[in-house]
Amino acid sequence: AQTVTQSQPEMSVQEAETVTLSCTYDTSESDYYLFWYKQPPSRQMILVIRQEAYKQQNATENRFSVNFQKAAKSFSLKISDSQLGDAAMYFCAYRKGTGNQFYFGTGTSLTVIP
Amino acid sequence: DSGVTQTPKHLITATGQRVTLRCSPRSGDLSVYWYQQSLDQGLQFLIQYYNGEERAKGNILERFSAQQFPDLHSELNLSSLELGDSALYFCASSVGVQGTYEQYFGPGTRLTVT
Repeated sequence: AQTVTQSQPEMSVQEAETVTLSCTYDTSESDYYLFWYKQPPSRQMILVIRQEAYKQQNATENRFSVNFQKAAKSFSLKISDSQLGDAAMYFCAYRKGTGNQFYFGTGTSLTVIP
Repeated sequence: DSGVTQTPKHLITATGQRVTLRCSPRSGDLSVYWYQQSLDQGLQFLIQYYNGEERAKGNILERFSAQQFPDLHSELNLSSLELGDSALYFCASSVGVQGTYEQYFGPGTRLTVT
């Protein structure tokens, strides 16, 4: 069964600094997708970034980038130049390439300190 | 705004009652997914519909049921409600049934069972 583990329930970062959120997953599949979703206090789930497993290049979206280590089954999110608006719960998610079900981690609550 | 709408935003009801949550997917999306997020938990996949047909089932209780109508909106029915059913219920939509990337989430319905 696919599982997604986020071992950091809470993280904090100074404004303008960089923070890395960890995620590991377990799968026997070779074709899959990984995602980071942000859930601010409004509770809306917002897609931050996605990574296709077949791509070796790490995905980047503005200040957000990932470190995808396929062999280690690790998928961490780096937030650069942290802003107050980045404060939220961050969820890592996995989906099999031919599948339709997302598997979510339990989330990391990020606090940004002014 | 993801384009996915959910009604109502909040729902308060008593144990033993039955409620219906409604979701309208993004224009053009054929798949609808339902998730449950209990307090301080990740999202648990409940069920997926594609173009009116059930396509995948997750951890959905027998007291819960869903359907997708010809106009593609979906309803999640929760019956014989228990205190533990209090949660945030998300609907998400995507274009296809498989091989698509992200799911777009609605704002959620917060259900409180007293």
